[in-house]
Amino acid sequence: GAVVSQHPSWVICKSGTSVKIECRSLDFQATTMFWYRQFPKQSLMLMATSNEGSKATYEQGVEKDKFLINHASLTLSTLTVTSAHPEDSSFYICSAREDAEGTEAFFGQGTRLTVV
Amino acid sequence: AQSVSQHNHHVILSEAASLELGCNYSYGGTVNLFWYVQYPGQHLQLLLKYFSGDPLVKGIKGFEAEFIKSKFSFNLRKPSVQWSDTAEYFCAVNTWRDDKIIFGKGTRLHILP
Repeated sequence: GAVVSQHPSWVICKSGTSVKIECRSLDFQATTMFWYRQFPKQSLMLMATSNEGSKATYEQGVEKDKFLINHASLTLSTLTVTSAHPEDSSFYICSAREDAEGTEAFFGQGTRLTVV
Repeated sequence: AQSVSQHNHHVILSEAASLELGCNYSYGGTVNLFWYVQYPGQHLQLLLKYFSGDPLVKGIKGFEAEFIKSKFSFNLRKPSVQWSDTAEYFCAVNTWRDDKIIFGKGTRLHILP
């Protein structure tokens, strides 16, 4: 299958700082990327859907000013957690899809964020 | 809102036992259905998917799933599990109207050697 790479795999940051997570599709062009958050022993919670060149669509309850998503190219999407707090500590996972709706999405390995 | 329900949160089986994990979704329109697996320490991998056609779908590693539209279900099955099947399994639904991929809460499967 296609490869989606997330960077970094883990990051520790101080409370109040911002951290950027990158999601790259390595061997295909991703028209759509999804960002998920996974709490310990829980499922993936969809945060937002982004299409290349347009604004991300955020799920209800997700603060768009706190979780900034940029999908500037067909191979890169970024999630920036602004003014991070300890409650933002979580596992963030991106997935990327090449074609229109209904096709398979490929997942990155995830980024574990710890805010201290 | 669309939702995906997985009935079993934690399943423990012995090797060679048969497996069936339940998945139901709530959405009346066109959907595509997926089962993903997450092995310990690894990222999500696709087991199988249903887009259209034969409702009985065969995936990797001997897994299969059956889409029953009238029951809004997409249960995952395997006739004889192995210790290496120990993992967490997620059912997911892609709804055409909103173009989202929604996941169930996952089922943690533990196979006893």
